[in-house]
Amino acid sequence: KNEVEQSPQNLTAQEGEFITINCSYSVGISALHWLQQHPGGGIVSLFMLSSGKKKHGRLIATINIQEKHSSLHITASHPRDSAVYICAASGAGSYQLTFGKGTKLSVIP
Amino acid sequence: EADIYQTPRYLVIGTGKKITLECSQTMGHDKMYWYQQDPGMELHLIHYSYGVNSTEKGDLSSESTVSRIRTEHFPLTLESARPSHTSQYLCASSEPPGPGTTDTQYFGPGTRLTVL
Repeated sequence: KNEVEQSPQNLTAQEGEFITINCSYSVGISALHWLQQHPGGGIVSLFMLSSGKKKHGRLIATINIQEKHSSLHITASHPRDSAVYICAASGAGSYQLTFGKGTKLSVIP
Repeated sequence: EADIYQTPRYLVIGTGKKITLECSQTMGHDKMYWYQQDPGMELHLIHYSYGVNSTEKGDLSSESTVSRIRTEHFPLTLESARPSHTSQYLCASSEPPGPGTTDTQYFGPGTRLTVL
């Protein structure tokens, strides 16, 4: 069974700061997903990656397959980035996701 | 823009009642999922379906049942609700990876269920 660990659990940042959220997993995967969950509960898929790096606006996701580690970076953070960021791994040959517990980010003006 | 809908958004109900949580998607996705999430905790898969007439139980044991009679519709039913069923239930769908597609899961807004 794949274990997915995220750090930190909680993160408070000043507006404009560069933010990094980390995710590690224990077994081989087919893809690593980063999701954003807003206070109302809705979940949005941010990235799905199996190698290298992806960028979308101020968000960057990287993955190191050898180290079984992924990071989500937010540049020039803004209060509207405040949300829970969830890392999830899909196993090889499976579409099911194993989720981390999430990182609660609060960006203060 | 994802088109996946859940109703109701909020439900408060008494113990012993039968409830059905609705989930529908207009994207033609074959794969659909139900997750349960307690406050501050991670999502757990309770049911999934790879297509019409296909349903499987997920990692987390659940007393709920699901059906998949139509591609777009994946309802979840609790025959007799109990306070331990109080949680948020999230539905999702995805398309298989292939040329021009990904297995990105699209989530509905969730149903917050409270059983008194």
